[in-house]
Amino acid sequence: EVQLVESGGGLVQPGGSLRLSCTASRFTFSNYWMTWVRQAPGKGLEWVATIKDDGSQKYYVDSVEGRFTVSRDNTKNSLFLQMDSLRAEDTAVYHCVGSTSWAGIFDYWGQGTLVTVSS
Amino acid sequence: DIVMTQSPDSLAVSLGERATINCKSSQSVLYSSNNKNFLAWYQHKPGQPPKLLIYWASTRESGVPDRFSGTGSGTDFTLTISSLQAEDVAVYYCQQYYETRYTFGQGTKLEIK
Repeated sequence: EVQLVESGGGLVQPGGSLRLSCTASRFTFSNYWMTWVRQAPGKGLEWVATIKDDGSQKYYVDSVEGRFTVSRDNTKNSLFLQMDSLRAEDTAVYHCVGSTSWAGIFDYWGQGTLVTVSS
Repeated sequence: DIVMTQSPDSLAVSLGERATINCKSSQSVLYSSNNKNFLAWYQHKPGQPPKLLIYWASTRESGVPDRFSGTGSGTDFTLTISSLQAEDVAVYYCQQYYETRYTFGQGTKLEIK
């Protein structure tokens, strides 16, 4: 069974940085587009960033453009999200998501890691 | 960006009855070259990650019970649960993947009446 396990969440002050990681197993990671989706407390799902299977294309929601950077290491089956200049509104559970059938169809999800931005 | 709007925001249905959730996109998500609607539905239960139910607007994901069905085309879509079971209590989201700047609906909370 495919497993996506996120790590790196925690409490950070406004303006600070955090790097999320996601490790995939039982999954041909290098073949698939990967995405970060977040859910703020009491809110709905929000797409954050997507990276193409070979890392050559990256896409971001407007609210994180210029502050967040998505990357991947296909040799280590790992996905990353570097989050800089964090704001209170970035507080959320961040899910690592895989698209195996078509880019944009989110068929595998990690449990998520909580990021709290607060002073 | 394509805006996805779901209705209603919440819904209470009796066990065994039909539940219907609507989703409207601000522009068509039907790709003319392959005649496919780039629309998916997800189920999200507390404490669990979201689960893919339906993609291409009407294709059920493997393992999803056949009481779940998706219909619609262009800008208007519907998720129907034909006979509500207790385990179907969740928040349901539609999502477009027509544009790579993917967007979700705001969610519909489904409860038992």
